[in-house]
Amino acid sequence: QVQLVQSGAEVKKPGASVKVSCKASGYTFTGYYMHWVRQAPGQGLEWMGWINPNSGGTNYAQKFQGRVTMTRDTSISTAYMELSRLRSDDTAVYYCARGTEGAAAAHYMDVWGKGTTVTVSS
Amino acid sequence: DIQMTQSPSSLSASVGDRVTITCRASQSISSYLNWYQQKPGKAPKLLIYAASSLQSGVPSRFSGSGSGTDFTLTISSLQPEDFATYYCQQSYSTPRTFGQGTRLEIK
Repeated sequence: QVQLVQSGAEVKKPGASVKVSCKASGYTFTGYYMHWVRQAPGQGLEWMGWINPNSGGTNYAQKFQGRVTMTRDTSISTAYMELSRLRSDDTAVYYCARGTEGAAAAHYMDVWGKGTTVTVSS
Repeated sequence: DIQMTQSPSSLSASVGDRVTITCRASQSISSYLNWYQQKPGKAPKLLIYAASSLQSGVPSRFSGSGSGTDFTLTISSLQPEDFATYYCQQSYSTPRTFGQGTRLEIK
């Protein structure tokens, strides 16, 4: 079955970086985009950006430009999201989600990982 | 950026009720509108895509309508498992943006 398995929870100090992985299975990894969405405690969903695993092309939300890097390793069907210069307000659950941009006319996020909790605290 | 505004922000209803949640976009997004359901501690789940298409496996009591700037999600007869938070999201342009969410609670 189609699934996305994310890496485990992280605790980081302010100013550090975190790298979250998302391993895809059950479908052709390069056929779909991968989005990253985060959710701060008690808050709504915030889109961070996407990567096209086929080309490696990325599209980041302006808010995260310069701090976020999305990459992929097609040999192991895994996408990565690295966020640098962490602040306390980066404390959130980070989700990867499969996007249909590469596969269909309608664009939506149809499969989600379970989320990775990142806590930023001194 | 396209702003998505949901109403109401919270809603109390009873099992069996018909419920409608509204989502308004700050500019026309054609039918590029998706709806997600999220339960506490869980990842969002896709319910409706392209404004009115039901995702595979989602019960038929969920339906979506609208185009342009105004959209609705309707649950025809609330079931206990439907109490959750619902988000709309536009996929017309980047950055992708979500509504602030509508929390559906048991009356």
